[in-house]
Amino acid sequence: NAGVTQTPKFRILKIGQSMTLQCTQDMNHNYMYWYRQDPGMGLKLIYYSVGAGITDKGEVPNGYNVSRSTTEDFPLRLELAAPSQTSVYFCASSYQGQGARNEQFFGPGTRLTVL
Amino acid sequence: QKEVEQNSGPLSVPEGAIASLNCTYSDRVSQSFFWYRQYSGKSPELIMSIYSNGDKEDGRFTAQLNKASQYVSLLIRDSQPSDSATYLCAVTDYGGSQGNLIFGKGTKLSVKP
Repeated sequence: NAGVTQTPKFRILKIGQSMTLQCTQDMNHNYMYWYRQDPGMGLKLIYYSVGAGITDKGEVPNGYNVSRSTTEDFPLRLELAAPSQTSVYFCASSYQGQGARNEQFFGPGTRLTVL
Repeated sequence: QKEVEQNSGPLSVPEGAIASLNCTYSDRVSQSFFWYRQYSGKSPELIMSIYSNGDKEDGRFTAQLNKASQYVSLLIRDSQPSDSATYLCAVTDYGGSQGNLIFGKGTKLSVKP
């Protein structure tokens, strides 16, 4: 199992550009999450999904969009990139069901700079 | 606002000593508690989870939970330079989706040879 994979690893965007951060998991987890991590600020939840076709906002959703068409994939879309979106983005997944314990497993991250 | 508080550190301990990392949380209904290790430039890695009051041991790591005091800690015995990392405490958020976690900002641990 590859676990949670993310692409790209690094990206530089110009203000106003758009891009999609890709996330795929092969653990058959039903829940998936997107976080951003700024220096000294901890992990902030952007969006999450409890299954294919179901998404919901987290703590900091403004400027982002998500979709979940399959169990495996959970892409994060940035529209009209702004310098405030410079951050490291982590995708995570977990299995939620009978006996599940909310353990989340993280991908390697995407380091995004908006200039 | 639900919060998870950690001392940001850095916490510096000599090699072979016990490192003690602490975390307090504000939501009394939280049921699951986690410690993640994050090396510089890497993603968080789950190292311990605890769900009941008391101690849980896994190798050199011991997690301790006291729900009455809303306190969870991580002890690292025989600390090694390879343990130098930022340790994130996370607790479940039952205000939103059952699966969501609230993370502390992390404690940076430095183990000196």
